[in-house]
Amino acid sequence: DQQVKQNSPSLSVQEGRISILNCDYTNSMFDYFLWYKKYPAEGPTFLISISSIKDKNEDGRFTVFLNKSAKHLSLHIVPSQPGDSAVYFCAAKGDSGYSTLTFGKGTMLLVSP
Amino acid sequence: GAVVSQHPSWVICKSGTSVKIECRSLDFQATTMFWYRQFPKQSLMLMATSNEGSKATYEQGVEKDKFLINHASLTLSTLTVTSAHPEDSSFYICSATPGYIQYFGAGTRLSVL
Repeated sequence: DQQVKQNSPSLSVQEGRISILNCDYTNSMFDYFLWYKKYPAEGPTFLISISSIKDKNEDGRFTVFLNKSAKHLSLHIVPSQPGDSAVYFCAAKGDSGYSTLTFGKGTMLLVSP
Repeated sequence: GAVVSQHPSWVICKSGTSVKIECRSLDFQATTMFWYRQFPKQSLMLMATSNEGSKATYEQGVEKDKFLINHASLTLSTLTVTSAHPEDSSFYICSATPGYIQYFGAGTRLSVL
């Protein structure tokens, strides 16, 4: 049973437009959510996170929104740049500081010039 | 962000040999490190949680005698793939956390001939 779901395997966006990547989860015990960016043959790079007590966190071009009642979060990238093209993973963790991460399957974002 | 170094980045070995992969936290101490495996076009699969000074915790279906984990210090964890076979060929990634955020190494591509 997949506890973190990224239902869109890929997304194509034009440069300068907004990219919206979605993530749904089923475990109500998750209390911290993270987004990672990954290039092929490289380890994931941390992008942005959000605690379950918040509904929005912003860092430069990246904003994460959390809707706890819907068990849904999204990553907005504005404006999108060709260098943003990568696979984006949504991850969730429980309330222990060192508890494991549960990853979604990822969404491949392609930003075209 | 924190830096996690993983070595080697790529290794080719003969079937039946053992391969050791190192994961180091460079600028923080990590009592817990994680080892993941990623198959092509798949998400990251947690293999085991490495605990400094104690035995690793393996996920269901992961053979602990096949994938030996040693976390001898607060900055170093090693994964040894013993008697490697072609089906062990994969991309292995480690991570470490100083708190809530896991930081990943660059990954190791293992090819078993």
